[in-house]
Amino acid sequence: AQSVTQPDIHITVSEGASLELRCNYSYGATPYLFWYVQSPGQGLQLLLKYFSGDTLVQGIKGFEAEFKRSQSSFNLRKPSVHWSDAAEYFCAVGSISGGYNKLIFGAGTRLAVHP
Amino acid sequence: EPEVTQTPSHQVTQMGQEVILRCVPISNHLYFYWYRQILGQKVEFLVSFYNNEISEKSEIFDDQFSVERPDGSNFTLKIRSTKLEDSAMYFCASSDPQGSDEQFFGPGTRLTVL
Repeated sequence: AQSVTQPDIHITVSEGASLELRCNYSYGATPYLFWYVQSPGQGLQLLLKYFSGDTLVQGIKGFEAEFKRSQSSFNLRKPSVHWSDAAEYFCAVGSISGGYNKLIFGAGTRLAVHP
Repeated sequence: EPEVTQTPSHQVTQMGQEVILRCVPISNHLYFYWYRQILGQKVEFLVSFYNNEISEKSEIFDDQFSVERPDGSNFTLKIRSTKLEDSAMYFCASSDPQGSDEQFFGPGTRLTVL
C-alpha cells in the first residue's frame, strides 16, 4: 500500500538558517509527489510537485525538493528560512487510478522559526 | 486567481444531527475530492468524485457519508448522523480535467460535534 513518512514531527530553526524537511514514500510505480504548506487556520497550499523529468524541482517561496528514487525520498529544502515560513508542511504522494489523483499525506512536520 | 471556496467556515452540531458541508470547486475542474484532518493528525482522503459518481472512497467514508453535485457549481458532503469522532477539519479540493495534476484545496470547514 502507498504510504508517506515524515520522520520529523517538529523542527525549530533560526531565521536565516537552511532547512531540510524529510519525506520518504512507499509506492509501487513512479510516484507523483507533492509538498503542501498549511499555515495556522488555513487550507493547504501547494509548494511544489514532481511528476517526471528533472529530479530537482523548484517551488514557490524559495523552496525546492529533490526526488531520489534510490532512497524513495522527496526532501524539501530552503537555503534561508524566513519567520513567515513557520507553518506545518505536508508531503504527499499521488495515487493515480482511473485518471484521477488521490493524495496520500504524511503526518506533517511543524516548523518553528526563531528570530 | 480562481479558488475553491467552502461554507461554512465553522459548523457546530449536536451528535446525531445531519450536516451538509458545501464547496464550490474551480469552475473548469471536473474532479472533486473531500479530505478530513482530525486535530493534530494527518490529512486523510475521504472520497473522489467524477462525472457525477464516486470514483473512489476510503474506509472512513461509510454509509453515514454521501456526496453530491446538486448543480453545476456546488459539491457537497453530507454526514447523516454525526458522531463525536466526526469532529475534524474537512477540506474540499478540485483538479483539472486531466485529474492527475495539482489539486486545489479550499480553506476548510471546521466541524465540531458536541
